[in-house]
Amino acid sequence: NAGVMQNPRHLVRRRGQEARLRCSPMKGHSHVYWYRQLPEEGLKFMVYLQKENIIDESGMPKERFSAEFPKEGPSILRIQQVVRGDSAAYFCASSPETLYGYTFGSGTRLTVV
Amino acid sequence: GQQVMQIPQYQHVQEGEDFTTYCNSSTTLSNIQWYKQRPGGHPVFLIQLVKSGEVKKQKRLTFQFGEAKKNSSLHITATQTTDVGTYFCAGRSGSEKLVFGKGTKLTVNP
Repeated sequence: NAGVMQNPRHLVRRRGQEARLRCSPMKGHSHVYWYRQLPEEGLKFMVYLQKENIIDESGMPKERFSAEFPKEGPSILRIQQVVRGDSAAYFCASSPETLYGYTFGSGTRLTVV
Repeated sequence: GQQVMQIPQYQHVQEGEDFTTYCNSSTTLSNIQWYKQRPGGHPVFLIQLVKSGEVKKQKRLTFQFGEAKKNSSLHITATQTTDVGTYFCAGRSGSEKLVFGKGTKLTVNP
């Protein structure tokens, strides 16, 4: 029973490039959440999705960031025209229902050079 | 918006000492969850508390949810080096998103 799968584990992008982060939730989990974590910081909510629907994107910057969870395939967090300040660990989590504990993936460490 | 504050930010203990981290919310919570993140790792779900005044135990870990459902605590008895990591509380008001505290980083001196 595979857990939440995130790839890549590490991603290096030059300023101005696009970053695509992928997340496959646990089998049977239809709720996906993206969080961002800076070193020595907590987890900052970005977006909550269900299949083909964005439920809550109140934590997403208005520009350059987008997320999707298509009917088929993984959830994608896309960051366009990356800047140095986007460097962080991005964690995806999933749950079977909203009121359950989250299962986190191993994260994608994004470094913008 | 909803805020979750957690103290202390850092805690260093000698192996065998007890450890407690506290969590306070600006709003009444429908439930609170606790997670542990090892250095370089990802958060791992420990427990969820739902009822006012609820107390749950997992071996040496004791979790409490306040009567007013606005605060919570995690207490570890007789810490071990395997307890090292950052402990996060995360609260939810109604059906809103889970909001995480900034965590308490625990280091244990053997």
